[in-house]
Amino acid sequence: AQSVTQLGSHVSVSEGALVLLRCNYSSSVPPYLFWYVQYPNQGLQLLLKYTSAATLVKGINGFEAEFKKSETSFHLTKPSAHMSDAAEYFCAVTSGRGGGNKLTFGTGTQLKVEL
Amino acid sequence: KAGVTQTPRYLIKTRGQQVTLSCSPISGHRSVSWYQQTPGQGLQFLFEYFSETQRNKGNFPGRFSGRQFSNSRSEMNVSTLELGDSALYLCASSLAVTQETQYFGPGTRLLVL
Repeated sequence: AQSVTQLGSHVSVSEGALVLLRCNYSSSVPPYLFWYVQYPNQGLQLLLKYTSAATLVKGINGFEAEFKKSETSFHLTKPSAHMSDAAEYFCAVTSGRGGGNKLTFGTGTQLKVEL
Repeated sequence: KAGVTQTPRYLIKTRGQQVTLSCSPISGHRSVSWYQQTPGQGLQFLFEYFSETQRNKGNFPGRFSGRQFSNSRSEMNVSTLELGDSALYLCASSLAVTQETQYFGPGTRLLVL
């Protein structure tokens, strides 16, 4: 079975500071990993996706994530936080070839950006 | 291209009733998945359909069912509603059925009284 652990249910940063949201995965097969963002009263928006093509993945809105197999991690970063980044962020992993597109999500990290 | 659309956006029902939610995928997408989001349980997979066939099912009781039509539109049904079914129900579509990126709709917020 695949699983994802997001460390820190709430993260608070100052505007302009580095954003680091942590995600560790467990998978018996090479994983496909995703980061999604959810703004209040909205669905999930894809930020970026890792598919084994490159370990450093660049996404939308200045976010990027690095796949580290040795650490089973896929942390999300952004060099400089903006007020508009305040939202909930979810890391997710697919179930592998036999599992279709089923996503297993982490519990989410609420990002707060302060002036 | 238009994104994933879900109707209705908001719904209030009482215990024991049943409800049907609808999802229209992105044009050309043939796979539709459903997820339930609650504060307590987070995001949980309900089921996935591809070419009108259920390909995968999550760990939910039989009161939760779904179907997909030939135009890839999907519906999910919840019978004999319980208070715990109050949630945001999210639909996601993807091109094919294996490790494809899923694109989510805005969700249907169901409140069971």
